[in-house]
Amino acid sequence: NAGVMQNPRHLVRRRGQEARLRCSPMKGHSHVYWYRQLPEEGLKFMVYLQKENIIDESGMPKERFSAEFPKEGPSILRIQQVVRGDSAAYFCASSDSYNQPQHFGDGTRLSIL
Amino acid sequence: AQSVTQLDSQVPVFEEAPVELRCNYSSSVSVYLFWYVQYPNQGLQLLLKYLSGSTLVKGINGFEAEFNKSQTSFHLRKPSVHISDTAEYFCAVSTYGGATNKLIFGTGTLLAVQP
Repeated sequence: NAGVMQNPRHLVRRRGQEARLRCSPMKGHSHVYWYRQLPEEGLKFMVYLQKENIIDESGMPKERFSAEFPKEGPSILRIQQVVRGDSAAYFCASSDSYNQPQHFGDGTRLSIL
Repeated sequence: AQSVTQLDSQVPVFEEAPVELRCNYSSSVSVYLFWYVQYPNQGLQLLLKYLSGSTLVKGINGFEAEFNKSQTSFHLRKPSVHISDTAEYFCAVSTYGGATNKLIFGTGTLLAVQP
């Protein structure tokens, strides 16, 4: 029973590059959530997706950030033209239906040089 | 809007002593409540949840929490802690019946168990 799989675990980018973070939900889960954890802070919600649909993106920065969850394949969080302030741990979670507990992956730690 | 307050950023405790980690929430609608634990460089693991029913909820690793609607609290307790309980603990809420299932987290409490 594989849990939520995120890759890469660590990602280093230079300012101005693009970062792509991948998340494969638990088997049978069709709801995916992305959260960001900045140093010394709790987790902040970014976006909630179901297959091929964005349900809630109220926590996504207006520019440079996008997310998708295609019919086939993992969910992708994409950050264009990264800046130092994007350095954080990004966590993906999944659930099998609405309002069921979310199960988290081990995160991707993004460092911007 | 919902919010979660964890009053203690760090709680030091000796091994085998009892511990309580405090969590208060604010919401104008009914909520679900959760406690998660995060070990270093890992993701969050669900400790316990309150969805409905009995206000005393038992979770994994000997933890329990009590939902108090009048005080809008959901404190986490363990009668006897172990060194291995050293970790960051997060309280979270989600809206019951809302359009989204997003979790609102507190800022976390570091439980530091000393021998």
